[in-house]
Amino acid sequence: ETGVTQTPRHLVMGMTNKKSLKCEQHLGHNAMYWYKQSAKKPLELMFVYNFKEQTENNSVPSRFSPECPNSSHLFLHLHTLQPEDSALYLCASSQLAGGLGTDTQYFGPGTRLTVL
Amino acid sequence: GENVEQHPSTLSVQEGDSAVIKCTYSDSASNYFPWYKQELGKGPQLIIDIRSNVGEKKDQRIAVTLNKTAKHFSLHITETQPEDSAVYFCAASLQGAQKLVFGQGTRLTINP
Repeated sequence: ETGVTQTPRHLVMGMTNKKSLKCEQHLGHNAMYWYKQSAKKPLELMFVYNFKEQTENNSVPSRFSPECPNSSHLFLHLHTLQPEDSALYLCASSQLAGGLGTDTQYFGPGTRLTVL
Repeated sequence: GENVEQHPSTLSVQEGDSAVIKCTYSDSASNYFPWYKQELGKGPQLIIDIRSNVGEKKDQRIAVTLNKTAKHFSLHITETQPEDSAVYFCAASLQGAQKLVFGQGTRLTINP
């Protein structure tokens, strides 16, 4: 396994619920990512955090709210989602090497989200 | 922005045969090309990557080739085994940019 854990692994929620996804990396990395994986679509980058600071928001709707309290933990807070938000949400981490760094990203197992 | 096309979407080969998956990219500035394998119920796992300063890289039964002029790169798996069955994704990015753009994936099935 990659050293990136995600909880819960499965989540079913109604459109009026509020829930959170959690990601933890045990690799000592300083960058973390959220991706969305939908059926028949490529993985889509959602957010990037470097040293706890958000550096990328890929035009994600505000009903998805990320939080990165430290370099090892990343959350995705969900509220008033739509059925089309049902997908596998993947967390990843990498080590910024500075300059021409490696940027190899290591993924967690994902949270399978179903919005009813 | 970058766009990555991956073919084929499904591939079925006999155990022991070779499998080849191809990707093309649009941004000539991209210089980092990883390949990921995703098994059922798991997240993508990096299996090999290549940077634009080399044309080929090999790791046991897996190899990747890169043609910068044509802007395409390929994954080659030799002596396929049942455990190679999975979905494979290619990706491209500008090194240091942290923005991996993924292909659509190839579902590889190895028939015993």
